[in-house]
Amino acid sequence: KQEVTQIPAALSVPEGENLVLNCSFTDSAIYNLQWFRQDPGKGLTSLLLIQSSQREQTSGRLNASLDKSSGRSTLYIAASQPGDSATYLCFRGFQKLVFGTGTRLLVSP
Amino acid sequence: GAGVSQSPRYKVAKRGQDVALRCDPISGHVSLFWYQQALGQGPEFLTYFQNEAQLDKSGLPSDRFFAERPEGSVSTLKIQRTQQEDSAVYLCASSPLGNTDTQYFGPGTRLTVL
Repeated sequence: KQEVTQIPAALSVPEGENLVLNCSFTDSAIYNLQWFRQDPGKGLTSLLLIQSSQREQTSGRLNASLDKSSGRSTLYIAASQPGDSATYLCFRGFQKLVFGTGTRLLVSP
Repeated sequence: GAGVSQSPRYKVAKRGQDVALRCDPISGHVSLFWYQQALGQGPEFLTYFQNEAQLDKSGLPSDRFFAERPEGSVSTLKIQRTQQEDSAVYLCASSPLGNTDTQYFGPGTRLTVL
């Protein structure tokens, strides 16, 4: 079974900190890689998509990178805010569709 | 415009009952995906439709699970003879493309089997 591990599983930080969330695959044959956020009781919202030919994507305070050779992706959140509190999921969307285990983030004011 | 909707939002079933979960995708979206999310876990892929064709059902956990999309729009996920381990949130997503690059997710149906 395809394993996708996210570290840390949970993270609690004060507002303003810069954060790094990690995602790793046991199978390094990665194609497209996405990061989603999930708010309680709601569906998932796509944050960033890294196409197979790309190495990183940026949107506002978010930056995601992909290292296919090592099977790892990193989501960087700059200057965290309480509104960033959610669960963050990485997702491999080709052939086998696989979500990561998730990182629960709490940003305190 | 309207997003992906799912109904019911909550369903409580007694073990052994059959349930049907509905997904209304965004109008015109070609692809439709079903995922199962257990408490505290990431979603797991169940099945994928392109229009009315079910192209991948490799994630369905047993033959008690059945999905259909007869007219290429609304989809129904049916679970027969529900068991406690079926308790989860069932998420539906649709995409205008034939891939997962642009998935729009519904709010999910939380199924509790007693």
